[in-house]
Amino acid sequence: NAGVTQTPKFQVLKTGQSMTLQCAQDMNHNSMYWYRQDPGMGLRLIYYSASEGTTDKGEVPNGYNVSRLNKREFSLRLESAAPSQTSVYFCGSERESGELFFGEGSRLTVL
Amino acid sequence: GENVEQHPSTLSVQEGDSAVIKCTYSDSASNYFPWYKQELGKRPQLIIDIRSNVGEKKDQRIAVTLNKTAKHFSLHITETQPEDSAVYFCAASTGGFKTIFGAGTRLFVKA
Repeated sequence: NAGVTQTPKFQVLKTGQSMTLQCAQDMNHNSMYWYRQDPGMGLRLIYYSASEGTTDKGEVPNGYNVSRLNKREFSLRLESAAPSQTSVYFCGSERESGELFFGEGSRLTVL
Repeated sequence: GENVEQHPSTLSVQEGDSAVIKCTYSDSASNYFPWYKQELGKRPQLIIDIRSNVGEKKDQRIAVTLNKTAKHFSLHITETQPEDSAVYFCAASTGGFKTIFGAGTRLFVKA
């Protein structure tokens, strides 16, 4: 029972490079999320998708784009990475009850 | 939009003592208030939640209280144990999506 799977687990980028974080869930959840976690700032919502085909901005969307490819997959793209985007990124999906299930996290460093 | 404030940022208790973490939220439409525990290097996981039609909920050594009028909710851990050491996040959401998190409380339980 995989739950939420996100890749890669670690990535080092140079400023200006682009990359995509992949996320997939096998729990048939409608809603999916991308958060970033920085020391002392908790989990901040980047984008969310309430259902297949819809996406909405969260608290900190600047510099990111997302794609809800189908019900299972929700990807996060950094078009031109900046050092301020160094963070741990968590993908999540949500049960009907509201409980969030998270992936293991992706640690991104931008030099 | 919703804003969730969490206090304290760090809490140190002696094993066997109680720990209390407090949160306030801004959006009166919020109706679901989960608490997540994140151990070092791991993903956040739900430990308890409460809905707006309930004032208190208990699960063994942990309990959550909600004061909708004051927009406060709190996590209480009794008889703390070293394995309770972790970062705890409160969160608030309306209708089960767009969950917004507090900044987290790092709890240390000293043996």
